[in-house]
Amino acid sequence: LAKTTQPISMDSYEGQEVNITCSHNNIATNDYITWYQQFPSQGPRFIIQGYKTKVTNEVASLFIPADRKSSTLSLPRVSLSDTAVYYCLVGSSNDYKLSFGAGTTVTVRA
Amino acid sequence: DAGVIQSPRHEVTEMGQEVTLRCKPISGHNSLFWYRQTMMRGLELLIYFNNNVPIDDSGMPEDRFSAKMPNASFSTLKIQPSEPRDSAVYFCASRDLSGANVLTFGAGSRLTVL
Repeated sequence: LAKTTQPISMDSYEGQEVNITCSHNNIATNDYITWYQQFPSQGPRFIIQGYKTKVTNEVASLFIPADRKSSTLSLPRVSLSDTAVYYCLVGSSNDYKLSFGAGTTVTVRA
Repeated sequence: DAGVIQSPRHEVTEMGQEVTLRCKPISGHNSLFWYRQTMMRGLELLIYFNNNVPIDDSGMPEDRFSAKMPNASFSTLKIQPSEPRDSAVYFCASRDLSGANVLTFGAGSRLTVL
């Protein structure tokens, strides 16, 4: 499975856009990129998934360059409630040994 | 759908006692995962079931840990005997293999072993 690297922490203020970049140099052809969000005292929650180019949903956007060796999760106009840990995972549809790593702790301040 | 349901949400027990954690996956999901989360080690995969069959239990830390999935709607994770170092949040997650590789997690069971 491809190893991922993402920043340990990021600070932001309400109303700003937060961009978290994840590196996955060894991504395989069949691998998808999936992001999860975890609030304190809750289980991780799926946010967005993509294979290439750009994916957008009501929560976030995911930008994936042509070489797919990295991806950027974009959270538009964050609020205090977006304070959470964000995990980047890479794997194919049948992979089960998905590594969550340490994730990126995003702290949004007023 | 009520999502993945775990019980109990909190358990406090004494060292040496048996602990049983329960999980009801989302109906129709054919894969089930048990994870453990601690500050030091993050989220660790303990065991993975596919169609109720344990496929990989290499993450189970010791023989004190066991997991079963008697049917598609129920799984248990048992620790016997429990030790203080087992204190953690245990998450169950399920997945529908026919779709994207997306896990749905339960709310977790916070275990404290005194």
